[in-house]
Amino acid sequence: DAGVTQSPTHLIKTRGQQVTLRCSPKSGHDTVSWYQQALGQGPQFIFQYYEEEERQRGNFPDRFSGHQFPNYSSELNVNALLLGDSALYLCASSLKPGQGRYEQYFGPGTRLTVT
Amino acid sequence: EDKVVQSPLSLVVHEGDTVTLNCSYEVTNFRSLLWYKQEKKAPTFLFMLTSSGIEKKSGRLSSILDKKELFSILNITATQTGDSAIYLCAPHASQGAQKLVFGQGTRLTINP
Repeated sequence: DAGVTQSPTHLIKTRGQQVTLRCSPKSGHDTVSWYQQALGQGPQFIFQYYEEEERQRGNFPDRFSGHQFPNYSSELNVNALLLGDSALYLCASSLKPGQGRYEQYFGPGTRLTVT
Repeated sequence: EDKVVQSPLSLVVHEGDTVTLNCSYEVTNFRSLLWYKQEKKAPTFLFMLTSSGIEKKSGRLSSILDKKELFSILNITATQTGDSAIYLCAPHASQGAQKLVFGQGTRLTINP
């Protein structure tokens, strides 16, 4: 049973560039959430997707955008990168609301460094 | 604004000791509270608590949720070096979606 997968593992970008991170949910899950974890902090909710739509968004600017595909995989895009965007980006998969189970299972993350 | 406070932020104990990790929260539309263990990268799911009470896992880990006083406790007995990790508390707030609100975490170090 495949768990949550993310790619790439590491990424180094320059300020002002754009980046795309990818996530495939755990088998049987249809919902993907993205979190940003800065060094020494807990993960911060960016947004959640199910049924190919953004359902809820955290306190992140419009430079952060996403997409969910029909196979439930998802992308996180960040435009006009800032030094402060350097973090571990975590993807979590779950069942969509109403299914009665709220556990979110996390992927290994993508370490983004902006120089 | 949703808020989660974990204490202590850091804890160092000897193998075999018992530890108690604390989590207090204020979130709107609370549904449940989840505990995760983070060693390298991916947080690993430990517990989900939906009702006030006790849930056990693996015999050495247990957790209590108090929905009236808005806190949770994670206990680890007979600690082992493999328990060294960051423990994250995450209330689940539901407003049409499933948003986890994480605390800063407790960094637990078990010395042999």
